[in-house]
Amino acid sequence: DADVTQTPRNRITKTGKRIMLECSQTKGHDRMYWYRQDPGLGLRLIYYSFDVKDINKGEISDGYSVSRQAQAKFSLSLESAIPNQTALYFCATSDSGADERYFGPGTRLTVT
Amino acid sequence: GENVEQHPSTLSVQEGDSAVIKCTYSDSASNYFPWYKQELGKRPQLIIDIRSNVGEKKDQRIAVTLNKTAKHFSLHITETQPEDSAVYFCAASDGGGFKTIFGAGTRLFVKA
Repeated sequence: DADVTQTPRNRITKTGKRIMLECSQTKGHDRMYWYRQDPGLGLRLIYYSFDVKDINKGEISDGYSVSRQAQAKFSLSLESAIPNQTALYFCATSDSGADERYFGPGTRLTVT
Repeated sequence: GENVEQHPSTLSVQEGDSAVIKCTYSDSASNYFPWYKQELGKRPQLIIDIRSNVGEKKDQRIAVTLNKTAKHFSLHITETQPEDSAVYFCAASDGGGFKTIFGAGTRLFVKA
């Protein structure tokens, strides 16, 4: 089945470290997204990309950067991790012009 | 900025009872309103959606209603079952997958 996958699934890192979260999809969708989930705050958009040459900031992009290496790959980087970036991170995809988001399994990141 | 308010944050019901979750949105351009269900440890998945040209939509035990004038929409689950226990997110979108704002989520507990 076509899917959205994320690596790693869990990661513990120290303050100041650089970390990369990776997302791959076999759905053939052009659009990819990175969300952050915190208790009581829902899903907040970090960055999104509508195709390989398109990168856009979401509502909470400070402290994060992204790279769209190919249609199927979208990675999220924390250049210098801080404790308040501890959260559950979801990658998602959607088809062009469509509204439904297809989420990956999530990456639980802890910054100590 | 644009936002989506969701209430209640936690809801506990007895098996067989009905559950209602309400959302309010602020962006008048919103015309697509999906609901996602996130079971414990799992990824969010779309369960039902409604577009602004429709006032109500049903799918077996779940239904969504929309009042565009009041900018309210609600999820109704009838004859609740333990497997309905999850976090439910509402969202409002301007259509075409461009901008989607999620609510903070409602944690539903269905007691057997």
